[in-house]
Amino acid sequence: EAQVTQNPRYLITVTGKKLTVTCSQNMNHEYMSWYRQDPGLGLRQIYYSMNVEVTDKGDVPEGYKVSRKEKRNFPLILESPSPNQTSLYFCASWGTGDQPQHFGDGTRLSIL
Amino acid sequence: GESVGLHLPTLSVQEGDNSIINCAYSNSASDYFIWYKQESGKGPQFIIDIRSNMDKRQGQRVTVLLNKTVKHLSLQIAATQPGDSAVYFCAENKENDYKLSFGAGTTVTVRA
Repeated sequence: EAQVTQNPRYLITVTGKKLTVTCSQNMNHEYMSWYRQDPGLGLRQIYYSMNVEVTDKGDVPEGYKVSRKEKRNFPLILESPSPNQTSLYFCASWGTGDQPQHFGDGTRLSIL
Repeated sequence: GESVGLHLPTLSVQEGDNSIINCAYSNSASDYFIWYKQESGKGPQFIIDIRSNMDKRQGQRVTVLLNKTVKHLSLQIAATQPGDSAVYFCAENKENDYKLSFGAGTTVTVRA
């Protein structure tokens, strides 16, 4: 089954404790992206990747890092999380620029 | 003059009736448009897409209409069912752009 898998689905942690949210896709897609979803602000792009070792900033990249060492994986790293990064995070992948993005089921992060 | 549907944050529909969800997009250079459905606890799920060289596209029980003159997109759902209750987002994309810009979303509630 074609899917985008995020882990963990839920995480409660404390300010400053480094965390990584993993994302994996099994569709051999070139492109992957991370979004955060906040009430009243909709979905906003954090980072995206066009291929292995090629990444670029989205609209809200501050406080986040990503890496793309393999085509299927695109982890999101919060080196020093802060409470304003409490949000619902989605990973997405797609094959070309004019194809729909496929989303994972989300990771809800709470930073205390 | 031509009427343009208003975007409403919520829509309540009687089961069996048709639903119309409206979206105004911002970028006249956008050439690819997608409707997503998001159910509680899940990521956005692709419903239907349309490219700017078309003004109408039909799927199973859904139709998307695109009016480029007034930058308006609508999603029509025929014979709305309880399983159609969700938040619906429109998204726009420019060719060779790696970012989807999402609308604010409309919460559809189906009354039995």
